[in-house]
Amino acid sequence: GENVEQHPSTLSVQEGDSAVIKCTYSDSASNYFPWYKQELGKRPQLIIDIRSNVGEKKDQRIAVTLNKTAKHFSLHITETQPEDSAVYFCADTKGDKIIFGKGTRLHILP
Amino acid sequence: GAGVSQSPRYKVAKRGQDVALRCDPISGHVSLFWYQQALGQGPEFLTYFQNEAQLDKSGLPSDRFFAERPEGSVSTLKIQRTQQEDSAVYLCASSLQAGTGEGYTFGSGTRLTVV
Repeated sequence: GENVEQHPSTLSVQEGDSAVIKCTYSDSASNYFPWYKQELGKRPQLIIDIRSNVGEKKDQRIAVTLNKTAKHFSLHITETQPEDSAVYFCADTKGDKIIFGKGTRLHILP
Repeated sequence: GAGVSQSPRYKVAKRGQDVALRCDPISGHVSLFWYQQALGQGPEFLTYFQNEAQLDKSGLPSDRFFAERPEGSVSTLKIQRTQQEDSAVYLCASSLQAGTGEGYTFGSGTRLTVV
């Protein structure tokens, strides 16, 4: 079925430390995995994505890894900053449709 | 326009009232999606259009929900006889491509409160 599990639901890290958010998916045919960031009261915005033919992708302080065999993928944020505080959603895709995880609320502590 | 525009930004409806939510996608975007986001949850898929054709409406929670995109551009999501459980943010997204799940741009949403 269409299912993506995300954890943790809440994560607090000291400013400057790293944050890791993990997701699993169920459909072995899935081949595109976007990550969205949503600040309070704002729209979800794509921050990074990965396709199934790639194991890792980096963009400055953000990286995503994908393990197709285990059907899980992770978001890594290094050197966290206050502006990283937000809700992060992993997602799976089914054709055109995006299936979102339940989200991780990331708090960056001063 | 430069982005996906949704109106109204906020809507308060009395229980039983009908509401209509509008989405203006990015010009030229083929695909248009509606999502429902309850407080503290991830967006849940409602329905999807490719041009004027509604290709998937599997996420619409009941027959009180109806969406249309008659000319393949602006879309309206209508909710009849609103109930308290309909209270949520309704997000619209559009994408230039079809069939990939890529290139979504979301609007700011309409926050619907049913009292």
